[in-house]
Amino acid sequence: RKEVEQDPGPFNVPEGATVAFNCTYSNSASQSFFWYRQDCRKEPKLLMSVYSSGNEDGRFTAQLNRASQYISLLIRDSKLSDSATYLCVVKFYGGSQGNLIFGKGTKLSVKP
Amino acid sequence: SQTIHQWPATLVQPVGSPLSLECTVEGTSNPNLYWYRQAAGRGLQLLFYSVGIGQISSEVPQNLSASRPQDRQFILSSKKLLLSDSGFYLCAWSGGQVYGYTFGSGTRLTVV
Repeated sequence: RKEVEQDPGPFNVPEGATVAFNCTYSNSASQSFFWYRQDCRKEPKLLMSVYSSGNEDGRFTAQLNRASQYISLLIRDSKLSDSATYLCVVKFYGGSQGNLIFGKGTKLSVKP
Repeated sequence: SQTIHQWPATLVQPVGSPLSLECTVEGTSNPNLYWYRQAAGRGLQLLFYSVGIGQISSEVPQNLSASRPQDRQFILSSKKLLLSDSGFYLCAWSGGQVYGYTFGSGTRLTVV
């Protein structure tokens, strides 16, 4: 069974804090990995892809550990505007043309 | 640039009534198209995907159907809605296996 597991949170942090989200996936044949951000009552939007060597985009750092089937997202210097639900997403190839499997999301609330 | 349009944004329908949600993509050709549903407090569930005109694959048996009458048009339908059909319906497109998905703005359906 293909599953993506995330801590649902909520994570309540003050502005300026560093926060980390973790995600595990069950299928070792997974090929692509992403973090999406979903604001309340809005559609998910791609935040960043996750590469095997790890990658950074401004205050956001994503890392992948294939051996442990584990993905992480680190947010430094949290802003109020970072408040949202963060979805861990894994793409499995074959079968359903590489459909994405979404975690249920981790809710982040950044407070003043 | 590619854009995806989905309508209506919100919909309240009585049990037993029909449903038709439309999604169109602009700025690309032969996209992979997807319908997802997000129920309250739950993750995104893939309902249907399509790799071309007239080609529909169903992921979950349910009260819904999908059609792709044109390359960039994807329609989600039901002949008779159930209360359990309530949720946030999202259309998405993908340019290929290595890419993530781009979502439309979603339709929030409430069946009463």
